[in-house]
This record gives sequence, C-alpha cells and structure tokens, in this order.
Amino acid sequence: EIVLTQSPGTLSLSPGERATLSCRASQSVIGSYLAWYQQKPGQAPRLLIYGASSRATGIPDRFSGSGSGTDFTLTISRLEPEDFAVYYCQQYGSSSWTFGQGTKVEIK
Amino acid sequence: EVQLLESGGGLVQPGGSLRLSCAASGFTFSNFVMDWVRQAPGKGLEWVSAVSSGGGSTYYADSVKGRFTISRDNSRTTLYLQMNSLRAEDTAMYYCAKSDRGAFDVWGQGTMVTVSS
Repeated sequence: EIVLTQSPGTLSLSPGERATLSCRASQSVIGSYLAWYQQKPGQAPRLLIYGASSRATGIPDRFSGSGSGTDFTLTISRLEPEDFAVYYCQQYGSSSWTFGQGTKVEIK
Repeated sequence: EVQLLESGGGLVQPGGSLRLSCAASGFTFSNFVMDWVRQAPGKGLEWVSAVSSGGGSTYYADSVKGRFTISRDNSRTTLYLQMNSLRAEDTAMYYCAKSDRGAFDVWGQGTMVTVSS
C-alpha cells in the first residue's frame, strides 16, 4: 500500500498570500493518479485537482497541481477567504486508494 | 444535477450490523466505479471500499476486509455497504463517492455511523 505524507500539518497564512502544500508518496504513483481535495467543516470533500495537474470542473485557476513519481504539490496562488480549509491528497494504484493525513490552511 | 444521497446510518452496538445505501442520480451510474470513504470524528479521510462499474469486482481496505461487503444495483442506481461485526473504530461519517480516472469527483453528504454500547 502506498503511504502519502503531507506537509506541513498546518499552514498559517494571510489572505492574498501564496500557499504551497506538499504530498510525498512512499512509492511512485502509477500514471500520476494523484488528486487533491478541499474540505471545510461540516462539508463533504470537494475535488480540486486530478491526474496530478488537471483542475476539476468549476475550480478557479488560482489552484494548480504539479509533480510526478513520488513528489506532488498543490499551489494556491493568492489565498481567498473561502480557501481556508483542510486539503487532502489521494492516490489510486493497484486497486487501492489512499489519502494523506491532510494539511490545514488557517488564517494567520 | 449529479447527486449522491446516503442513508442507513445510526447507532449500533459493537458486534452489530448495518447496511448503508447510496442513491445516485444525474449521471449514467452503470458506467462508473463507486466507492465508500469514511471519516472518523476529527480525523482524516479513509478509503473503505470500491466496486467496479458492473459489480463483478470489489476492493476493500485491510481494516474492513472480511467484515464489510460492497455491492450495487445498476437497475436501481444504488450503491450499498453491508457492515458486519462492527467495532468502535468503525465510528465515522460514511460518504459514497463516484470515481473517475482514480479520483472521487462527486460525493454525497454522508451518513453517520456510531458504534457504541
């Protein structure tokens, strides 16, 4: 099973700043089947990025994903007030899906 | 509108059973892999189980293998999760999710399962 490790655990930033979130896999992620989700309190997760770098439908272009192999990054170019939330990476491979432990982006 | 609506959660004693349902609408249900994902209170997301589009192949996390059974009825556009031998650590919000290219692009609102005596 591939283990995903996200860093940092918490990111304290101000609106307008750039956020860089990391997701490292214990083995290479097959076919870049790596996705990112945003979750706000009391809500279901929302898909942001799939295939490591493709934005899901309706996701603003301030969200971007990059990386391959074992190292992936989610970048939020300029934080809006509604972007403060928890972010999870997730991989699919060999009929098994795993999530990272999450990064909380909080208002500084 | 694409929608997933879970039901069947509740309070159950350790060792008990529960069956969750997820009614799908707004997309061709029979074309997609479907999954269950759970989230314990205050914790992160954990993938639980998946079923192929036709229902012939099923996959489970080690934590539920042998206790949970996923199934689907494409004629009713409904996904199920039969949960047996429930434990306190199974307490969580259970989400059903539509899978596309390895990512979960549509989620339900979740149904809460509490395992406690």
